[in-house]
Amino acid sequence: EVQLVQSGAEVKKPGESLKISCKGSGYYFISYWVAWVRQMPGKGLEWMGIIYPDDSNTKYSPSFQGQVTISADKSINTAYLQWSSLKASDTAMYYCAREWGVCSGGSCYSDFWGQGTLVTVSS
Amino acid sequence: QSVLTQPPSVSGAPGQRVTIPCTGSSSNIGAGYHVHWYQQLPGTAPKLLIYGNTNRPSGVPDRFSGSKSGTSASLAISGLRADDESDYYCQSYDSSLSGYVFGTGTKVTVL
Repeated sequence: EVQLVQSGAEVKKPGESLKISCKGSGYYFISYWVAWVRQMPGKGLEWMGIIYPDDSNTKYSPSFQGQVTISADKSINTAYLQWSSLKASDTAMYYCAREWGVCSGGSCYSDFWGQGTLVTVSS
Repeated sequence: QSVLTQPPSVSGAPGQRVTIPCTGSSSNIGAGYHVHWYQQLPGTAPKLLIYGNTNRPSGVPDRFSGSKSGTSASLAISGLRADDESDYYCQSYDSSLSGYVFGTGTKVTVL
């Protein structure tokens, strides 16, 4: 059974750093892209970027380039999303998802999703 | 704001058919990139509903169908049921952004 299990909710202060995780199981982790998606409170889904765990090839949405870092550790089947200096506007639910298809060619979609990690940034 | 536009809400009575349009442009849907649809029930993670414009994953009822024409796509829900009340999002690739984008999202209400 394919599963993506994300790390637990976080409460942080502005300016702090954070790294959340997404552990895949039930499939060959290194062979599928992993996407990160943001959902701010009461708002829609926003595509942040994707990573190919085998070689850590990463693509970012222009809106998130330079704001976050996506990484992966293929030895433990885990993808990460990190911030070096959080802002209140980073408060959101963050989802990871397994991508099926040729993501580099514009032909993939999210077939399995993690349960989400709620990040709250408040002073 | 997203480059894929959806109406904020649509509604219908039980048993009726509703459609949700997703309007794009020549750099995404109109360029031939596939459209995918996701259902997000309240308080839960999104779930894949339609992939590759018209295909249903295993387990998705055939009451849900997708179509695409020109720079737009649509999701149709027939035989509307109370448990179809949810948010629905389209998704495609945009060549000008060199990345994937979601639609603005549509809330379906069953009257």
